[in-house]
Amino acid sequence: GENVEQHPSTLSVQEGDSAVIKCTYSDSASNYFPWYKQELGKRPQLIIDIRSNVGEKKDQRIAVTLNKTAKHFSLHITETQPEDSAVYFCAAQSRGGYQKVTFGTGTKLQVIP
Amino acid sequence: NAGVTQTPKFRILKIGQSMTLQCAQDMNHNYMYWYRQDPGMGLKLIYYSVGAGITDKGEVPNGYNVSRSTTEDFPLRLELAAPSQTSVYFCASSYSFGQRGATGELFFGEGSRLTVL
Repeated sequence: GENVEQHPSTLSVQEGDSAVIKCTYSDSASNYFPWYKQELGKRPQLIIDIRSNVGEKKDQRIAVTLNKTAKHFSLHITETQPEDSAVYFCAAQSRGGYQKVTFGTGTKLQVIP
Repeated sequence: NAGVTQTPKFRILKIGQSMTLQCAQDMNHNYMYWYRQDPGMGLKLIYYSVGAGITDKGEVPNGYNVSRSTTEDFPLRLELAAPSQTSVYFCASSYSFGQRGATGELFFGEGSRLTVL
């Protein structure tokens, strides 16, 4: 089955700096890669996603890049703000079959004002 | 739309007791999932369903059972509760890829916090 590794597990940045979270996946059949943000005590919510036929996608201060050959994908947050503090999960999903979603272990991001 | 609704939000069980976590969605999603999240940890898939009458095991199914008699409801049954089942349980649902232009985004409920003592 799919295995998703995520690094780092914790990340502290100064407000205004950039943050990068990296994930790798194992199953070449995975072709959809969402990122979820989970604030303390809340449910995970989708913040950005990318399909395997796209190398990069950007939404304001958030961007995701995908390297299919290396099976790597990354989340980039620029100009970080205190409200970006949360746990971020990457995931890999196959669009076919049972559409199983495998999550990474999460990155706790702390933005220091 | 209410989205994904989970009940109860909190529950304390004694070892050996049984209970059912309820999950309902009103978005006409085909896919439904149950995840558990241990403190400070990630999301582990317990069971999922691709439609009414069809369920399958995820990564950590032992000690749990599910059923999917309708599109809307996907209850999770805990039999003979054990302290290792202390966790936050999230139900989620999604469209099929391509259905109504959907990407497969998961919509989560608010979670059910279960403590087994």
